[in-house]
Amino acid sequence: DAGVIQSPRHEVTEMGQEVTLRCKPISGHNSLFWYRQTMMRGLELLIYFNNNVPIDDSGMPEDRFSAKMPNASFSTLKIQPSEPRDSAVYFCASSFRDGSYEQYFGPGTRLTVT
Amino acid sequence: KQEVTQIPAALSVPEGENLVLNCSFTDSAIYNLQWFRQDPGKGLTSLLLIQSSQREQTSGRLNASLDKSSGRSTLYIAASQPGDSATYLCAVTAGGFKTIFGAGTRLFVKA
Repeated sequence: DAGVIQSPRHEVTEMGQEVTLRCKPISGHNSLFWYRQTMMRGLELLIYFNNNVPIDDSGMPEDRFSAKMPNASFSTLKIQPSEPRDSAVYFCASSFRDGSYEQYFGPGTRLTVT
Repeated sequence: KQEVTQIPAALSVPEGENLVLNCSFTDSAIYNLQWFRQDPGKGLTSLLLIQSSQREQTSGRLNASLDKSSGRSTLYIAASQPGDSATYLCAVTAGGFKTIFGAGTRLFVKA
């Protein structure tokens, strides 16, 4: 299995621009999570989906952030407009609700907003 | 509100030493607890997952225990090696999939 795939791996953009991060979960997994990691705040859960439906988006910092999961094999996290404080590493993880719910992480997208 | 604390924040040990990393959580109503390893600039690798009904899990030189009633988990690493140097993260998942991470323990094993 290819594992969780994220793209791009690195993104540098200017303040005010729209940023779209992409995630392909492990085939057969039915839960997907978006996390953000910074030195100051550590790893924070932003939003998670179950069977393509957003279950809890209480971790999304503000309305500039949105996430979608149009099908079981693809999800996006969009920031519009981006700000320098959004600079972080964004991770996507997936799991299968077979009872263990073990989460498998992608390699992350390092976002820099100048 | 669930809070997860990891102690120590950093640890430096000589190669071959056995060591224990600690994780504590404030709300015992958890579904599972997962230990991860993160190398610099990399993603997270799952090491061990303990279900709330379990007391421990083992994988090779790693052993993780869980005491829900006291809100504690430990990760035991036997015969540490330089390749074990990384940040170790503890994550607690409650019902509904809310997952909270600790800040991690940075481990350095000296050759």
